[in-house]
Amino acid sequence: KAGVTQTPRYLIKTRGQQVTLSCSPISGHRSVSWYQQTPGQGLQFLFEYFSETQRNKGNFPGRFSGRQFSNSRSEMNVSTLELGDSALYLCASSLGQFNRAEAFFGQGTRLTVV
Amino acid sequence: DAKTTQPPSMDCAEGRAANLPCNHSTISGNEYVYWYRQIHSQGPQYIIHGLKNNETNEMASLIITEDRKSSTLILPHATLRDTAVYYCIVRVAGGANSKLTFGKGITLSVRP
Repeated sequence: KAGVTQTPRYLIKTRGQQVTLSCSPISGHRSVSWYQQTPGQGLQFLFEYFSETQRNKGNFPGRFSGRQFSNSRSEMNVSTLELGDSALYLCASSLGQFNRAEAFFGQGTRLTVV
Repeated sequence: DAKTTQPPSMDCAEGRAANLPCNHSTISGNEYVYWYRQIHSQGPQYIIHGLKNNETNEMASLIITEDRKSSTLILPHATLRDTAVYYCIVRVAGGANSKLTFGKGITLSVRP
């Protein structure tokens, strides 16, 4: 079955702009989580959505937001981009049910802010 | 989630077993041990997880000590494609929280 699909794979934006990244989870998975990966900070949790509701949030400013649709697809948005937002953004999907919490990651979206 | 400690790097010869250690001395009774790996520029890949019994799947084996304070991921016959950063994560499985807290991981280099 198809894996986690993230689009676009690469993106270049200018400081101050906003960006929207998309994630399609594995069919049947209801939980989608987002992570930011940078060389300095490593992999950091942004937020998680389950059944269209945000149920967990990491320590990121309000410029980072997300949503989940009824088909479990998710988008994350970053407004007023800063140079430090350059990173690999990873999406992970899981069933979200007890004892089946292994997460499956997409290939990521590499965002470069110039 | 309990904190884990891994050495920064290790290497092994192709075809030999790779034994990757992880310490999690503050693990709670309801926390599982998960292993993921990340090959350069790709998303992390789930490998295996366990609670207290040893686990094996097509990718690896997970050995958890009886006191659950440490574990070892075993790749029985390492190949060059197993070169990656391996993350040991301890967390409660399922429930209302799917968050994974990644540390720095251990970089495994498989040499020819």
